[in-house]
Amino acid sequence: QKEVEQDPGPLSVPEGAIVSLNCTYSNSAFQYFMWYRQYSRKGPELLMYTYSSGNKEDGRFTAQVDKSSKYISLFIRDSQPSDSATYLCAMENGGSQGNLIFGKGTKLSVKP
Amino acid sequence: DSGVTQTPKHLITATGQRVTLRCSPRSGDLSVYWYQQSLDQGLQFLIQYYNGEERAKGNILERFSAQQFPDLHSELNLSSLELGDSALYFCASSRGQGTSPLHFGNGTRLTVT
Repeated sequence: QKEVEQDPGPLSVPEGAIVSLNCTYSNSAFQYFMWYRQYSRKGPELLMYTYSSGNKEDGRFTAQVDKSSKYISLFIRDSQPSDSATYLCAMENGGSQGNLIFGKGTKLSVKP
Repeated sequence: DSGVTQTPKHLITATGQRVTLRCSPRSGDLSVYWYQQSLDQGLQFLIQYYNGEERAKGNILERFSAQQFPDLHSELNLSSLELGDSALYFCASSRGQGTSPLHFGNGTRLTVT
C-alpha cells in the first residue's frame, strides 16, 4: 500500500460546479497536510496548508482533514476554467526534515 | 511567481553524459529540496539541504549528487545519464529545516536521448 493514494482522474466538471478532491494515507504520523496546484509546464503552487484535523477555508477553497479516517479533501466552490490544473496533496510528519510525501495528483478540467 | 529560480528550463542530452541543474531559493529561505517528477512515479523527493548541509536523502541514485553553496543556491548533478532519467526536476525552498510549506520553481525538463 502506498503511503498516499490519490485518484488521478481526469475529472471534468462544468463551470460553477463544486469540486471535491481527495487523498487517503496510511502513515498515522503525518501531521501537516498541503494541497498544491500545478498548471501544465509549471511548478506546483501551494494552495492550502493545514495542521491536524479540521477545516480551513480560503476564498473558494476549503481543505478538510480527518485524521481518524486518514483522509483529506479539497473543495473548490464556484469552479472556474482557470481552476483547470493538476491538484496534488502532500503531507509530512513534522520531523526536522521537510520531506513531503506527495500524491500522484488529480487532473481537473473545468468546462465553460 | 514563487521566487524560486531554476535553470536551464530545458536540457537535451545523450545517454552517458553528465548535466548540472541549478536552483536559487526564495530570498530568506535556508532549505533547498530537489524533486523528480515523472508520469508514472509522480513527485519523488531526492535530497534536502539546509544552510549548506545535507539534511535528508530520499530516493536519490548514486549517480546523482547535489550541493548547496554559501550563497544558498544549489546544484543537482546527474551523471552517467540513462533514458529513464528523463523527467522534470524541481527545486523547492523553505524557511526552516522542516514543517514548512515548500515553494517550487518551474523545473528543468531533462530529456535523455
